Amino acid sequence: GEDVEQSLFLSVREGDSSVINCTYTDSSSTYLYWYKQEPGAGLQLLTYIFSNMDMKQDQRLTVLLNKKDKHLSLRIADTQTGDSAIYFCAEGDDYKLSFGAGTTVTVRA
Amino acid sequence: DAMVIQNPRYQVTQFGKPVTLSCSQTLNHNVMYWYQQKSSQAPKLLFHYYDKDFNNEADTPDNFQSRRPNTSFCFLDIRSPGLGDAAMYLCATSREPGSGLFMNTEAFFGQGTRLTVV
Repeated sequence: GEDVEQSLFLSVREGDSSVINCTYTDSSSTYLYWYKQEPGAGLQLLTYIFSNMDMKQDQRLTVLLNKKDKHLSLRIADTQTGDSAIYFCAEGDDYKLSFGAGTTVTVRA
Repeated sequence: DAMVIQNPRYQVTQFGKPVTLSCSQTLNHNVMYWYQQKSSQAPKLLFHYYDKDFNNEADTPDNFQSRRPNTSFCFLDIRSPGLGDAAMYLCATSREPGSGLFMNTEAFFGQGTRLTVV
């Protein structure tokens, strides 16, 4: 089965908060990542969290990490139409990233 | 100002006809990766080069090969494409191996090449 799992779709109203959830399996991962992929574009590193942290905030983005449950979430405050994209959760080991299948976020007016 | 450039963006090839995808980088990074991303699935690492050293993932089919003639370029060769090889192929680079961040290990991705097999 997949090492990293996330729900495939999320629809959110403009101005509301979006929460994207992810579960992972490798407790030895040093970093956990969120990548964003806009239509026709490559993957762009959005934010990351070091495994000894519980929370990281970066402007409109808040990452929460629950190591006990191996659960990672990304909260986007005040979601805008430009936030419509596919968001990938990833865990890292010594030389590669293991990605989830991506959550497609659709922002509706 | 793209730093990791993949050509072409879209490639159509015939079943069984060899095809080559190209990736170039202006970052002078030591490591180049090729990922395969099928529709609604996670990107999956096929192999990577650390300088001239080729590292194949255990479950990468023999049908997939790679060449890195110099630091800037890396090619993905599919010897006999099947219908199941239709996917987005992503190239990425990092200064050093590892998936950690900081300047040495952050991965930079190209825009991808979408391969269609007919």
